[in-house]
Amino acid sequence: DAGITQSPRHKVTETGTPVTLRCHQTENHRYMYWYRQDPGHGLRLIHYSYGVKDTDKGEVSDGYSVSRSKTEDFLLTLESATSSQTSVYFCAISAISLGFAGEKLFFGSGTQLSVL
Amino acid sequence: EDKVVQSPLSLVVHEGDTVTLNCSYEVTNFRSLLWYKQEKKAPTFLFMLTSSGIEKKSGRLSSILDKKELFSILNITATQTGDSAVYLCAVILTQGGSEKLVFGKGTKLTVNP
Repeated sequence: DAGITQSPRHKVTETGTPVTLRCHQTENHRYMYWYRQDPGHGLRLIHYSYGVKDTDKGEVSDGYSVSRSKTEDFLLTLESATSSQTSVYFCAISAISLGFAGEKLFFGSGTQLSVL
Repeated sequence: EDKVVQSPLSLVVHEGDTVTLNCSYEVTNFRSLLWYKQEKKAPTFLFMLTSSGIEKKSGRLSSILDKKELFSILNITATQTGDSAVYLCAVILTQGGSEKLVFGKGTKLTVNP
């Protein structure tokens, strides 16, 4: 299995509190992604990174920020959590760009976040 | 807007049945189509399809892409209870010089003994 660890695995928090999710990889892959998965919507890209300190927005980036200060860590922050951000969050990594990634895009096990 | 539509959304079959899952897409600058299997946790890769008409096979699973009609199918023959999962279709497209992965909502397959 690809060396991807997401933490925490589960979190319950209150509306208005800040939350940070961590994705840690041991594969030294260049590309890292944060997705959220919701019933009726499938997987949607929040933010991605194509190198240390190089990040860009995905399709549902509002209310989220990211940071990548080291190759192995990609942090997703909800500055002020809302109930609409209750979701399962997946981190993914790839060594090469998506156009060639295919089978080389690996997902973490997910973080279940509940915002009450 | 780029769209990937999977059908059916859910399907219940008996062991031994053959199933066909559908994925249609409307995207600009298509590059490839991917199929993933998601059991309880992380999606795992099944197939990547780039060219029309070339079937990819892995055991009882096979998939093919039709770039003219903009769809792909995933076939599973002699289904087993272990095939129960959500099957995700995703399309890689290029946009503004970078690549983007757009997922469908998935098909939930339940295989009963």
